Amino acid sequence: DIQMTQSPSSLSASVGDRVTITCQASQGINDYLNWYQQKPGKAPKLLIYDASNLETGVPSTFSGSGSGTDFTFTISSLQPEDIATYYCQQYDNLPYTFGQGTKLEIK
Amino acid sequence: VQLVESGGGLVKPGGSLRLSCAASGFSFSNAWMSWVRQAPGKGLEWVARIKSKSDGGTTDYAAPVKGRFTISRDDSKNTLYVQMNSLKTEDTAVYYCTTLDPAGDYWGQGTLVTVSA
Repeated sequence: DIQMTQSPSSLSASVGDRVTITCQASQGINDYLNWYQQKPGKAPKLLIYDASNLETGVPSTFSGSGSGTDFTFTISSLQPEDIATYYCQQYDNLPYTFGQGTKLEIK
Repeated sequence: VQLVESGGGLVKPGGSLRLSCAASGFSFSNAWMSWVRQAPGKGLEWVARIKSKSDGGTTDYAAPVKGRFTISRDDSKNTLYVQMNSLKTEDTAVYYCTTLDPAGDYWGQGTLVTVSA
C-alpha cells in the first residue's frame, strides 16, 4: 500500500496568514493526488485534483503543487471559513489512501 | 446531485448490516462508486470500490474488510450497497458513499455504524 505522510497534524494561524501543508507519498503516484477539506459533521469537499488543479468553484486562495512523491497544499490568505481538517489522498493505486489529516485552527 | 446513505445503526460484534446509497442528478450507471469510512475522531479510510458495468463492474476492497464486506450496485434503482458481515468494533464509523472522481466528486452525508455489545 502507498503510505501518505501528511504534516503538520495540526496548525494554528492568524487570519490573513499563508498556510502550507505537505504530503509525502511512499512511492511515486503520477501526480494522482487530491486535497480535501472537511468541516465538522460534514462530508469531505474536493479542493485540488491531480496535485495542482483547482476544482470548479473553489476560491483561488487555495492551490496545490508538487510531483513525484512530494506535494504541497497552500492557502494564500487564511480566512475564518477555512477552519477545517485537510486531507491529501492518492488515487494512483488501490487501495486509495489518505494522509492522516491536518487540523487547521485560528490563532 | 444527491447521494443519500441509509441503513446505519447499532449492531453487535459478529452481526451484519446493509448500507444503501441512493443517487440522483448524475449518470450513476457510468460512475465508479466507493465507500469511504471515518471512525469517530479519526481520518478517512477507503473501504471498497465498484466499477461501472460498462467497465466490467469489478470490485475491490481494503484489506481490513476483504472477505467480510460486499459492495454491489443496482443501476435500475440508482443505488449503491455494501453488505457488511462479521462486524467488528473497529468497523464503527461514519460510512460515506462517494464517486471519488475529480471529474465529478460527489459525497453523501454519511451514515453512522456503531458496533458494540
